Amino acid sequence: QQQVKQSPQSLIVQKGGISIINCAYENTAFDYFPWYQQFPGKGPALLIAIRPDVSEKKEGRFTISFNKSAKQFSLHIMDSQPGDSATYFCAASRSSGNTGKLIFGQGTTLQVKP
Amino acid sequence: EAGVAQSPRYKIIEKRQSVAFWCNPISGHATLYWYQQILGQGPKLLIQFQNNGVVDDSQLPKDRFSAERLKGVDSTLKIQPAKLEDSAVYLCASSYSSSYGYTFGSGTRLTVV
Repeated sequence: QQQVKQSPQSLIVQKGGISIINCAYENTAFDYFPWYQQFPGKGPALLIAIRPDVSEKKEGRFTISFNKSAKQFSLHIMDSQPGDSATYFCAASRSSGNTGKLIFGQGTTLQVKP
Repeated sequence: EAGVAQSPRYKIIEKRQSVAFWCNPISGHATLYWYQQILGQGPKLLIQFQNNGVVDDSQLPKDRFSAERLKGVDSTLKIQPAKLEDSAVYLCASSYSSSYGYTFGSGTRLTVV
């Protein structure tokens, strides 16, 4: 019940294309769903996050789509650029209680070809 | 604001040796997390502190790992004795409270040989 499953494991996209990464969760108590971007040798950095009261959130070229009934959420990167090449992690947590512990997916390595 | 500081950046030790990692969170952040990231996997929480108290250490291998945050500011994670499977990046993160998103440091890459 604590798992977050992420796919695909790796993704190659041409410059200007759309990158799509999917995640599924089991625990219906999760109410905070962030996406992190990680470059080699760096820690994960928060990219965008959503709470289940909305179905979509957009920030620049990055959009999260959220489907509460299916317990799935996805990251869309529009007009993908070579600088977007990184590993992306979805995560989930419960904001209630005293933890805020993030459960991470396995990660997706994105390569954007020029 | 300054980020989360971690040291050392890299460490190579032999199995059965001990090692310690240090983390200085963002000023004013009450919540501090230590995560373990094995190559090719997502980060996994080891321990969470709220000020200087432990909130969650359910996934910390307590027979060999220990952590402290004595004054509610910086923190140390220790492994003694290390095993080959402890090879990973150890990430520290901090947040203003457990209800907010948090900031990760760059991590310490540990190689156990």
